[in-house]
Amino acid sequence: EDQVTQSPEALRLQEGESSSLNCSYTVSGLRGLFWYRQDPGKGPEFLFTLYSAGEEKEKERLKATLTKKESFLHITAPKPEDSATYLCAVRVFGLRLTFGEGTQLTVNP
Amino acid sequence: DTEVTQTPKHLVMGMTNKKSLKCEQHMGHRAMYWYKQKAKKPPELMFVYSYEKLSINESVPSRFSPECPNSSLLNLHLHALQPEDSALYLCASSQGVIYEQYFGPGTRLTVT
Repeated sequence: EDQVTQSPEALRLQEGESSSLNCSYTVSGLRGLFWYRQDPGKGPEFLFTLYSAGEEKEKERLKATLTKKESFLHITAPKPEDSATYLCAVRVFGLRLTFGEGTQLTVNP
Repeated sequence: DTEVTQTPKHLVMGMTNKKSLKCEQHMGHRAMYWYKQKAKKPPELMFVYSYEKLSINESVPSRFSPECPNSSLLNLHLHALQPEDSALYLCASSQGVIYEQYFGPGTRLTVT
């Protein structure tokens, strides 16, 4: 059975304190790994797609990386507006995405 | 433009009511999705339409009835819902089923 595990469940940072979120997966045949950001009561906002081990994507203070077993979302010098829940999802053969439970990030000023 | 719109934003309905949720995208995407999301949980897939045809129904109760009138529109018809159906209902679209999905803002549904 395909599994996606995100850690930590919650992370509290001070503004400017860099850190990483983890998404580990056990799937047969990865066809894409997706990162989303979700603010309370809103729909997930697409951030990145990664397809193969060694791939990296960057956007502002965020950088996503992918290995054969896990993906990291690195947050450099975060700001309070980066506070949100970050969701990881994987696609294997077929149409479905399997989501992790998310990491709730809080950045204090 | 990567916008998916959903109406209404909020909906309160009784268990005997019939209502519909609407979703629209103008990105030329050919795959559209309905998800249900409970508080502090990830989205759960309900239905997938690909090229206006229903491709996946995740064993959703028949009180939820999807409809895809054309490639830009997706509806979810609701009838005789239960209080446990209260949730955030999300619509998403993608260029094709292998590509990233873009989500709408959701409809907050409360069943009384």
